[in-house]
Amino acid sequence: GESVGLHLPTLSVQEGDNSIINCAYSNSASDYFIWYKQESGKGPQFIIDIRSNMDKRQGQRVTVLLNKTVKHLSLQIAATQPGDSAVYFCAENGAGANSKLTFGKGITLSVRP
Amino acid sequence: EPEVTQTPSHQVTQMGQEVILRCVPISNHLYFYWYRQILGQKVEFLVSFYNNEISEKSEIFDDQFSVERPDGSNFTLKIRSTKLEDSAMYFCASSLQGNYGYTFGSGTRLTVV
Repeated sequence: GESVGLHLPTLSVQEGDNSIINCAYSNSASDYFIWYKQESGKGPQFIIDIRSNMDKRQGQRVTVLLNKTVKHLSLQIAATQPGDSAVYFCAENGAGANSKLTFGKGITLSVRP
Repeated sequence: EPEVTQTPSHQVTQMGQEVILRCVPISNHLYFYWYRQILGQKVEFLVSFYNNEISEKSEIFDDQFSVERPDGSNFTLKIRSTKLEDSAMYFCASSLQGNYGYTFGSGTRLTVV
């Protein structure tokens, strides 16, 4: 079946370093991808998104890269801060209106002071 | 910033009882969703709702589940006869365009005992 998955379950980084979180997807028809951050006891919080007609998109301290050739998505966080500690999910949305989001399993980012 | 509001934040119920989880989506949004997240696992799609009817549902969304938008502002998820395995966080989400710009609520933690 089609799935979205993450390569690593946990990632520990030093405060101030850059973080890279990776995600593989298998639905080649997906045209919209989103990274979410989830803090304990809260709902998924939008970080950044990208459409399939782009390969890079930058936000404030975050960059999403999309490689459609290998169906790979990554989230880069610059100068990681303690407040970035959370679980990060990638999600994909199949083409067409009202398509559901398919989430990856989630990776825990832990920032060391 | 507009929010999706969910109530209650935590619901404890006995096995076999009916529960209704409530959501107030963002007022101008047209597409509504329920997702669930079992502790430590990924967020899973349950159902999408548009134009007063279900657009898509997952295998999880069996006959014990139903959704309603009774009054133009609330969006509810009913579980008719809860099972232990229904214990999870339930997230409501809404979007304006159906394939973009999802906003999630903070979730209802359902505990079935």
